Formats: sequence, C-alpha cells, structure tokens
Amino acid sequence: GAVVSQHPSWVICKSGTSVKIECRSLDFQATTMFWYRQFPKQSLMLMATSNEGSKATYEQGVEKDKFLINHASLTLSTLTVTSAHPEDSSFYICSATLAGQGSPLHFGNGTRLTVT
Amino acid sequence: AQSVTQLGSHVSVSEGALVLLRCNYSSSVPPYLFWYVQYPNQGLQLLLKYTSAATLVKGINGFEAEFKKSETSFHLTKPSAHMSDAAEYFCAVSDTGGFKTIFGAGTRLFVKA
Repeated sequence: GAVVSQHPSWVICKSGTSVKIECRSLDFQATTMFWYRQFPKQSLMLMATSNEGSKATYEQGVEKDKFLINHASLTLSTLTVTSAHPEDSSFYICSATLAGQGSPLHFGNGTRLTVT
Repeated sequence: AQSVTQLGSHVSVSEGALVLLRCNYSSSVPPYLFWYVQYPNQGLQLLLKYTSAATLVKGINGFEAEFKKSETSFHLTKPSAHMSDAAEYFCAVSDTGGFKTIFGAGTRLFVKA
C-alpha cells in the first residue's frame, strides 16, 4: 500500500519552455504532498508543501512563480517548472504521507529534468 | 529547529561485514526518526522508523536502528552486508506537530566482494 506514482521519469526540454511533473497517490488520499529537489550526490531539499485545495507553502529561497504547484485533488499534485533554464536541471521527487503524526513519507520514483 | 547530521558521506564494507551508518539529530521536541534508502535514479524507500515505542527498531532487509536519547543518535546497523545493500542512505527527522521532514546529507554505502 501507499504507492506514489510520479510522471514522467525523465524529461528533456529546451530553455524557456515549461515542464509539468505529476505526482499521484494511487491507493490512498494524500491531503499533503511534498516536492523535493535533489542535486547530484546531495541530499533532498524541500521545495514546497502542497496542500489539497489551498496554496502551496514554499520554502525560503524557492521561487513560487517559477515552480508552480497545484494540488487540485486528494490524489494529484503537479509541479510546473516555468521558463526553464539549464540551472533548473535536477532530480525532482514528490512524496506524500498518510494522515497522522510520525507517518513516514512515501516517495515517487523521481523525475530527471534536463534543460538544454 | 530540527536538524540531522550523518557522519561519513561514504562508508565501504566487505560483503558479510557489519554495516554501521551514523546519524545524530537535534530536536527540541521528541522526534520521529526515519531511515530511507535510495537506489540510483529512484525515489526513497522507507527502511524503518522510530515513533517513541521501542528504542530498538527493526526494519526491512535486515536493518535495524537504536534510538539513544542521551546521545541524540539513531545509528543504522546490519549484521552482515550484502552486495544489494549498496545504495545511498538518508536519516531523517520529523517533528510531532506537522509533516515536515528534514533529511541528512546522506551516506553512500559501498559493499566490496
């Protein structure tokens, strides 16, 4: 149980274009989802907390106009990288948690974004 | 504020040897602690979690971790390493009031034949 599906697994786009990444909880309802960014050989950096039906909460230093997050349903959150630049190239990972304190995160398999 | 420190960015062991990955945490409230494993180009998978029940926590794949409040540690161990254990391991802490999880820098485990 608690499966999170992330799509696409990899994407290559040209500079200036936008890319949408989807994160779905397949067998549970996730009122809260999290988006992380991971640079090569580094840890996960929390970008934002996505709450169903409300605006996402962004971490300090993350541009909310560049990384648009939408959590329109209890099973789907999307991250759109707008006007992508090469420095946006990274591994993006979403996660979701079941309700309750101390619940672990369930991760998608990540999306490798390469901006050329 | 909460934080996690993983000692050693790389650990190398021989197959069959003991695995010890170190994690120290800082938290102003009783923490929830986790160990996750990440294989190349994949998301993270939960190995085990501590949620204030037993201090010795057993996880998947033969891993276990012991919560030591006096040392603010949550080290991960496995008695006998297997080649398939080679991966990146992350220690993480979550507070009691919300879902925000803070990750350590990660430790890459190498297993030599």
